[in-house]
Amino acid sequence: DQQVKQNSPSLSVQEGRISILNCDYTNSMFDYFLWYKKYPAEGPTFLISISSIKDKNEDGRFTVFLNKSAKHLSLHIVPSQPGDSAVYFCAASGRGSGSARQLTFGSGTQLTVLP
Amino acid sequence: EPEVTQTPSHQVTQMGQEVILRCVPISNHLYFYWYRQILGQKVEFLVSFYNNEISEKSEIFDDQFSVERPDGSNFTLKIRSTKLEDSAMYFCASSARGVSEAFFGQGTRLTVV
Repeated sequence: DQQVKQNSPSLSVQEGRISILNCDYTNSMFDYFLWYKKYPAEGPTFLISISSIKDKNEDGRFTVFLNKSAKHLSLHIVPSQPGDSAVYFCAASGRGSGSARQLTFGSGTQLTVLP
Repeated sequence: EPEVTQTPSHQVTQMGQEVILRCVPISNHLYFYWYRQILGQKVEFLVSFYNNEISEKSEIFDDQFSVERPDGSNFTLKIRSTKLEDSAMYFCASSARGVSEAFFGQGTRLTVV
């Protein structure tokens, strides 16, 4: 039951260029979406989020785009830096999951930024 | 910067033994969670806790699992009788509101032998 899907297990990008990470979801009850970054042997680190009432949210080098009709979101990192190399997880939460709103995670995309 | 802390960082236990994983959430947060990640697999939700009771739990969170907030600061996950398939990274998380980002601890690697 893959409610949140990240179809690209890996992505390599040259330093200074744009990184685009993609995520698709199937559950129409999801109304809040997040991106986390994870280094080996560490917990996920929150990057950026977006509510379903918006289609774009920007924070510094990170921008998340949401296309509700396509049930698709993407994370853009511009410019990419070698320190951005990590696994990026897309996550979603929605109505019907109680007030505590647990997250459903995608399988992650390993981003490698080449110097 | 406030952070979620977990202890121990690594726990090795024999099959059938009880383990307790400990977490100190961010102090003004109201919602607490446990997630796990089996090697090579997704991060999976186990349980959420709010207002001193379980809010939601997944199918993974069976009778072998329990959570407790014993003293107003710690948040614990107990596995009563560990199985080999319980080997995973266990992440504690907390959030200030239900619809908001959750902040994760660094994880406890549980190895059941």
